[in-house]
Amino acid sequence: DAKTTQPPSMDCAEGRAANLPCNHSTISGNEYVYWYRQIHSQGPQYIIHGLKNNETNEMASLIITEDRKSSTLILPHATLRDTAVYYCIVSAFTGNTGKLIFGQGTTLQVKP
Amino acid sequence: AAGVIQSPRHLIKEKRETATLKCYPIPRHDTVYWYQQGPGQDPQFLISFYEKMQSDKGSIPDRFSAQQFSDYHSELNMSSLELGDSALYFCASSRTEEAFFGQGTRLTVV
Repeated sequence: DAKTTQPPSMDCAEGRAANLPCNHSTISGNEYVYWYRQIHSQGPQYIIHGLKNNETNEMASLIITEDRKSSTLILPHATLRDTAVYYCIVSAFTGNTGKLIFGQGTTLQVKP
Repeated sequence: AAGVIQSPRHLIKEKRETATLKCYPIPRHDTVYWYQQGPGQDPQFLISFYEKMQSDKGSIPDRFSAQQFSDYHSELNMSSLELGDSALYFCASSRTEEAFFGQGTRLTVV
């Protein structure tokens, strides 16, 4: 699985958009970009994933560059409850094959 | 919606004892994954099962074994426990491209 690079920490003001970057320059054609978050010792929570198109769901938006070498997770209106470690994972994971490998994520601190 | 259920939520064992952790996947999910998360560390992949067969293996110690049963639940068996096995153990299940995690079992070895 391709390696990802994320900033170790970020701050965001409550109510503002949080934009979390991820670099994955060695991504392969069959690898997806996944985002999970972990709120203090709870189980990792699935946020969103995509292959090459931008994706949006009720939690977040995922913007993937055209060359797929980087992506950005956008939380449109961050709340204090969004404070967590956010993991960007690149994997050929299909649900039945492959696995999700967690690297060093970004600790997002949402401040009032 | 039903989530991944792990039991027990907390477990305290002494060194050299044995522990069994259980994972009940989301209904109709046929794949199960186990992860270990030590203090201050990121989750580390241990092992996975698809349709009751081991599908992948990570950094799982030889003292640990796991299996998936006919009802798709899974058990992680840990023997000769060491202090360093103290960690959060997460189970995840999937059927398609989204894997969902349980709330974990906190194992403390004393």
